[in-house]
Amino acid sequence: EVQLVESGGGLVQPGGSLRLSCAASGFTFSSYWMSWLRQAPGKGLEWVANINQPATEKFYVDSVKGRFTISRDNTKNSLSLQMNSLRAEDTALYYCARAPLFYFDSWGQGTLVTVSS
Amino acid sequence: QSALTQPASVSGSPGQSITISCTGTSSDVGSYNLVSWYQQHPGKAPKLMIYEGIKRPSGVSDRFSGSKSGETASLTISGLQAEDEADYYCCSYAGSSTLVFGGGTKLTVL
Repeated sequence: EVQLVESGGGLVQPGGSLRLSCAASGFTFSSYWMSWLRQAPGKGLEWVANINQPATEKFYVDSVKGRFTISRDNTKNSLSLQMNSLRAEDTALYYCARAPLFYFDSWGQGTLVTVSS
Repeated sequence: QSALTQPASVSGSPGQSITISCTGTSSDVGSYNLVSWYQQHPGKAPKLMIYEGIKRPSGVSDRFSGSKSGETASLTISGLQAEDEADYYCCSYAGSSTLVFGGGTKLTVL
């Protein structure tokens, strides 16, 4: 069974940093693109970032470019999202998802990031 | 990276069919057969219902079907059931390995 478990969320001040992690199990992690997505409270889904299997290609939504960095460790079956220069509008539930071919077939339960002073 | 357009809400009675539209542009929906649909119940993670426009993952009821015409993709749910009440989101590949979602549609089963 595919399992994705996010962690690392919390309360951070504007301008601060946070690192999210996603532990993957139940599938060959190194064979899949992976993604981060988010959902602001009461709002819709938004794709945030993608990373390919060897971590040589990374793509981001315009609003986080230059501030967020996606990475992965295929030896530890883990995905990460380093978030810097956080803004109030980054407040959301952040999901890790498996992305076979530009769709998301397995999702974690999410980790909540709140940016507030 | 502009959001796809979905109706805010749709409703139907048990047993009826409903269709949710998802309108994009020539840069996303109109150019690729890579639209996916997700169902999200309150407080739960999204669930993949349709991928590559028309394909159903294993375990998803065949009451759910996808289609596309031009720059508009659609999700049809036939034989509505109470458990289908949820939020539904479309998502399209938008080139350069980026993706864009619709704003979501709340389905109410009357």
